[in-house]
Formats: sequence, C-alpha cells, structure tokens
Amino acid sequence: DAKTTQPTSMDCAEGRAANLPCNHSTISGNEYVYWYRQIHSQGPQYIIHGLKNNETNEMASLIITEDRKSSTLILPHATLRDTAVYYCIVRVDVDGNTGKLIFGQGTTLQVKP
Amino acid sequence: EAQVTQNPRYLITVTGKKLTVTCSQNMNHEYMSWYRQDPGLGLRQIYYSMNVEVTDKGDVPEGYKVSRKEKRNFPLILESPSPNQTSLYFCASSRFGRPSYEQYFGPGTRLTVT
Repeated sequence: DAKTTQPTSMDCAEGRAANLPCNHSTISGNEYVYWYRQIHSQGPQYIIHGLKNNETNEMASLIITEDRKSSTLILPHATLRDTAVYYCIVRVDVDGNTGKLIFGQGTTLQVKP
Repeated sequence: EAQVTQNPRYLITVTGKKLTVTCSQNMNHEYMSWYRQDPGLGLRQIYYSMNVEVTDKGDVPEGYKVSRKEKRNFPLILESPSPNQTSLYFCASSRFGRPSYEQYFGPGTRLTVT
C-alpha cells in the first residue's frame, strides 16, 4: 500500500471549513484513498473513501487531484466535536485483501471556539 | 444499532495471569480484526479473521491468541500477559469482499499489566 504524508497538526475556527491535505505520490491505479478519524482514544471512525472522483457524504467531502497524488478532506462546518486525529490511508481494495488498515501518525485537528 | 462491543473496557492485571478480551459485532460481518495502539507507534494489527474458523497473524501476533468459533465473536486471549502488552486494544469488523472500505471499531480496551 502506498505511503501517505499528512501535516502533524492543524487548527480551525468553529463554523469554518476544515481542509485536511494528504500526499500520496506513489499511489497506484487500483488503490483507494480512505479517511478515518479518532476522537480522543475512542475507536477509529470511518469518514469517507474514493478512487478518483470527488466524493461527498453527510460527514465530509473528499477532493482527489486529477493525477491522484494528493487529496483533501473537507469538513464543511467544523464543530468542537470534530477535534480529533484524522488519518489518510491508501490501500488496495480487492478480494483476498487482509483488510489491514495502516494508520500513520495522522493530522491532529484542533477546532477552536 | 450497528456496533462492535468490547469487554472489559479497562483492565489492570498482573504478569502471567491469563486473560480474555471479548469482542462482538451485530452486523453479520465476515471480517474481524484486533489492533493495539501505542504512543508513537500508531495502530498495529495483531490478528485477523476472514470468517468462522479462519484466522491469521497480523503484524504483532506474539503473545496473543484468537479464536473464531462464531461469526459474531472474536476474543483476544493473552495466555501469559507481560508488561509490554500494556496497551489500548481495538477490535474491528467489516463485511468481506469488495468493497471492504468501512471498518467498524469497538470502543477500546485499556489494558495495564504490572
């Protein structure tokens, strides 16, 4: 699975959009981009995933560049409850995959009042 | 409500005293997995199971055992715990096969071995 690079930490004002970048320059054609988050030692929570098209769900939007070498997770209206560590994970999604998620260090997002 | 449950949530034990951490999911998922999380090392996979009676080692299996006799349950067994197994443990589950993108995680078990 391709390696990802994320900033260590970011701040965001409550109510504003939080834009979390991720670099995955060695991503291959069959690898998906996933985002999970972990709120203060709770179990990680799935947010969104994508292959090459932009994706949106009730939690967030995922913007993937055309060359797929980077992506951005967007929380449109951050709240204090969005303070968490956000993990960008790249993995192949095929039958027989061990299902292992490789969590890097992630980005600690601090939403401030 | 779809969920993964773990018990106990907190446990303090002594070296060598066998213990079991239970994990149960109510989503009829085929795939289940155990991770441990340590400061500076992130989450690392211990064992995983593709289905009933099918288990395999992850990245850090030493000192742990698992079993998968029923689809919903995937207990983690420490036969002789040692202080280096002090950690935060998470169980996860998902459906198997494509896409397998969303893994559900339990609330965690914080284990301290003295």
